[in-house]
Amino acid sequence: DQQVKQNSPSLSVQEGRISILNCDYTNSMFDYFLWYKKYPAEGPTFLISISSIKDKNEDGRFTVFLNKSAKHLSLHIVPSQPGDSAVYFCAAISPYNNNDMRFGAGTRLTVKP
Amino acid sequence: DAEITQSPRHKITETGRQVTLACHQTWNHNNMFWYRQDLGHGLRLIHYSYGVQDTNKGEVSDGYSVSRSNTEDLPLTLESAASSQTSVYFCASSEKRALYNEQFFGPGTRLTVL
Repeated sequence: DQQVKQNSPSLSVQEGRISILNCDYTNSMFDYFLWYKKYPAEGPTFLISISSIKDKNEDGRFTVFLNKSAKHLSLHIVPSQPGDSAVYFCAAISPYNNNDMRFGAGTRLTVKP
Repeated sequence: DAEITQSPRHKITETGRQVTLACHQTWNHNNMFWYRQDLGHGLRLIHYSYGVQDTNKGEVSDGYSVSRSNTEDLPLTLESAASSQTSVYFCASSEKRALYNEQFFGPGTRLTVL
C-alpha cells in the first residue's frame, strides 16, 4: 500500500536547465510534505518542506509546489548543477493521524555537465 | 562539530540471533528516529523517541525495540533477526519534536540476515 509514489525512478537533465521531480500521494490526511536528498553511502539530507496551507515554498534554487486537489507535489531545481546528482525522496506526514509518515521510493537525478 | 554516528556500518548475522545497532548523536537533540530503507520502498519509520524514557512505534515496528536511557543514544534491537530484516538502517535526530521538521541522518548500517 504505497501512499506516496514517485513514478519516475530516474531523471537526467543538462547542467543549467530545470529539474522537476514529481510526487503523488493518496491520503488526504497528509498535512506536511518534505524533500530529502541522498548521496550514495550517506544518510539523507533535508532539502525543503511545505505545509498543506501553502502551495509554494522556495529556498534558493529549490522550490516545492503543492497541488492539494490533485494530491501532487513537485520539486523544481533551477539551475541544476552536477552536484545535485543524487536520489531525491519525497515524504508525507499526518501529525494528527498517529504521526503517519510515508516516503516515496525515490527518483535518481543525474545532472550532466 | 556536532554529528550523528552509527555502528557498526556493516553487519552480517544469522536468523534468530539478537542484534543491536547503535546510534549516537552529539547535537543534544531530544528527538531521535530509526528508519529502514529497502529497494523500491524509500524509508520507513521503525521507532522514535522524544526524550529519555520515551519511545513510540512507527509504521514497521514489529520485531524491533528501542530504549532511551540518555539523550545521546537510541539503540535499535532486533530481538530475533529474520531474513526480512535485511536492510539499510538509518538513525536520525532533530531539534524540534514534530516529524515534519528537519532531521539529521547518520550514515547508515547495512544489515544482512542469513
